[in-house]
Amino acid sequence: DAGITQSPRYKITETGRQVTLMCHQTWSHSYMFWYRQDLGHGLRLIYYSAAADITDKGEVPDGYVVSRSKTENFPLTLESATRSQTSVYFCASNLGTEHGYTFGSGTRLTVV
Amino acid sequence: AQKITQTQPGMFVQEKEAVTLDCTYDTSDQSYGLFWYKQPSSGEMIFLIYQGSYDEQNATEGRYSLNFQKARKSANLVISASQLGDSAMYFCAMRLSGGSNYKLTFGKGTLLTVNP
Repeated sequence: DAGITQSPRYKITETGRQVTLMCHQTWSHSYMFWYRQDLGHGLRLIYYSAAADITDKGEVPDGYVVSRSKTENFPLTLESATRSQTSVYFCASNLGTEHGYTFGSGTRLTVV
Repeated sequence: AQKITQTQPGMFVQEKEAVTLDCTYDTSDQSYGLFWYKQPSSGEMIFLIYQGSYDEQNATEGRYSLNFQKARKSANLVISASQLGDSAMYFCAMRLSGGSNYKLTFGKGTLLTVNP
């Protein structure tokens, strides 16, 4: 039972580089989400997706791009990484039920 | 827009005592869900408890209970008989039931430390 797999777990990248964080779920959940966690801010929604090929912006989408060509994958791309994007990133999914959320283990990204 | 407020950045409690973590929310919707998550130092998000806005009784899950006061828009988490393993960050979150996006909005969290 793999659930949601995020990769990599840790990533260090340089300012200006493009980096993609991967999220893969094994349950065919319709809804998927990307959050970033920063001290003093809790978790903030970056992007979400209701189904394959349907994505929408969350609270802090600037500087990020997502795609969802397949139901099970929801990659998050930082097109030109900035230091302010240093954070822990969580992917989550929901089958479409009231409280059936599952979170990945997170990716700790450092932009130097 | 919906908002979750957790006013306690940090809390301390003695082992075996009860502790209440505060959460207030703001929404004009009548249908919504409230969640509490635990995040230990290892970083994973652990679901603790859920309360629907139309649930008449407060939710309970083992040592966790949710003190739901709808008129006051509060959803406090009560942990009874604290254990050292309860030391963690705790997040309150809300989901609006209207629409179909299932987005969760989180508070900033409360760091709970359980002292022996």
